[in-house]
Amino acid sequence: QKEVEQNSGPLSVPEGAIASLNCTYSDRVSQSFFWYRQYSGKSPELIMSIYSNGDKEDGRFTAQLNKASQYVSLLIRDSQPSDSATYLCAVKRGQTGANNLFFGTGTRLTVIP
Amino acid sequence: NAGVTRTPEFQVLKTGQSMTLQCAQDMNHNSMYWYRQDPGMGLRLIYYSASEGTTDKGEVPNGCNVSRLNKREFSLRLESAAPSQTSVYFCASSMTGVDSPLHFGNGTRLTVT
Repeated sequence: QKEVEQNSGPLSVPEGAIASLNCTYSDRVSQSFFWYRQYSGKSPELIMSIYSNGDKEDGRFTAQLNKASQYVSLLIRDSQPSDSATYLCAVKRGQTGANNLFFGTGTRLTVIP
Repeated sequence: NAGVTRTPEFQVLKTGQSMTLQCAQDMNHNSMYWYRQDPGMGLRLIYYSASEGTTDKGEVPNGCNVSRLNKREFSLRLESAAPSQTSVYFCASSMTGVDSPLHFGNGTRLTVT
């Protein structure tokens, strides 16, 4: 079982719609959760982080965390063509040390004008 | 404030050649990382340095060595390159702590023929 699993997509949504990206993780002791956006040929860029159960909103982005069900999601409201990218979910365990961050393989999102 | 910078941007090697990827960060981060990204495999950790003076292997260290030259700089050396090392390599840095996200530099596209 992979540490972090994402649907690879592609996920296509029309401009203005809500895009919903999901991620599940296997280790219950995971404590920190991150969403990165990666445009084709570019480096991953942090867009959201969430550490406690519930929702966290930042502009058009909302991250949702449910530790009991071991999933984290990212909602993008009013999707724009510029949101077309691959979204990476990353999960960090609680123990010290740097080798405790795990990435999913990413979901490719296409926003259709 | 340049963030995380790396050289070179592109590199083509013949099998058996060696090279060094250079990385520097100006964010006063303690931890630095080298990842590789391959289609369908996601980001995989090669080596990391939790703090100046320490380095540790990640998930896929084979054929590589690293040097944490000082707090700012972390280099990755490929000894006797093989076609399996064809990939995009990313350097990243972070503060210490379970809630600290990674900040990535631009990738280096390496092709080994």
